[in-house]
Amino acid sequence: AQKITQTQPGMFVQEKEAVTLDCTYDTSDQSYGLFWYKQPSSGEMIFLIYQGSYDEQNATEGRYSLNFQKARKSANLVISASQLGDSAMYFCAMREVTYNQGGKLIFGQGTELSVKP
Amino acid sequence: GAGVSQSPSNKVTEKGKDVELRCDPISGHTALYWYRQSLGQGLEFLIYFQGNSAPDKSGLPSDRFSAERTGGSVSTLTIQRTQQEDSAVYLCASSLRGQLLSSYNSPLHFGNGTRLTVT
Repeated sequence: AQKITQTQPGMFVQEKEAVTLDCTYDTSDQSYGLFWYKQPSSGEMIFLIYQGSYDEQNATEGRYSLNFQKARKSANLVISASQLGDSAMYFCAMREVTYNQGGKLIFGQGTELSVKP
Repeated sequence: GAGVSQSPSNKVTEKGKDVELRCDPISGHTALYWYRQSLGQGLEFLIYFQGNSAPDKSGLPSDRFSAERTGGSVSTLTIQRTQQEDSAVYLCASSLRGQLLSSYNSPLHFGNGTRLTVT
């Protein structure tokens, strides 16, 4: 069974600095996708970035990048130049590519990031 | 275009009553998912629809929970004889394709959720 582990319940970062949010996963599949979502206090789930298991390069989206280490089964999110608006819960999620499984995402427990001015 | 719409946004009900939660996915999205999020917790998968059929119901916690989807669009999650432990935010999400091997990079687009409180 697939599993996502986020070991940091809470993180603090100074405004304008970079921060890394950890995510490790466990799967026996060779094909899978990894996603990061942001959930501000308003409750909406915002998709940030995606990494496929066969992607050779780390994904980047603006200030977000994914440090993908396949052998270690880790997919850490790096946020550069933190802003006050980055304060939120961040969830790592995985989708195994198994036909008929529907492509559901399995989520980790989340990391609460607080950006200090 | 419009995002995923859920109603009601808040629902307070008495223990033992039945509730219905509605989800209107993004137009054209064939895959629809229901999740539950308890306070301060991650998202717990409940059920997945592809079109009107539900090939994965593995997350429904008990037979008090059921869901249907009609016309490949709107979905309703029903909780019968609600219990206090059912209190949570129920999130609905849709994605462009759910069952194709080529679709595993399609993100889920979430609604704002229904906050259910059982008193």
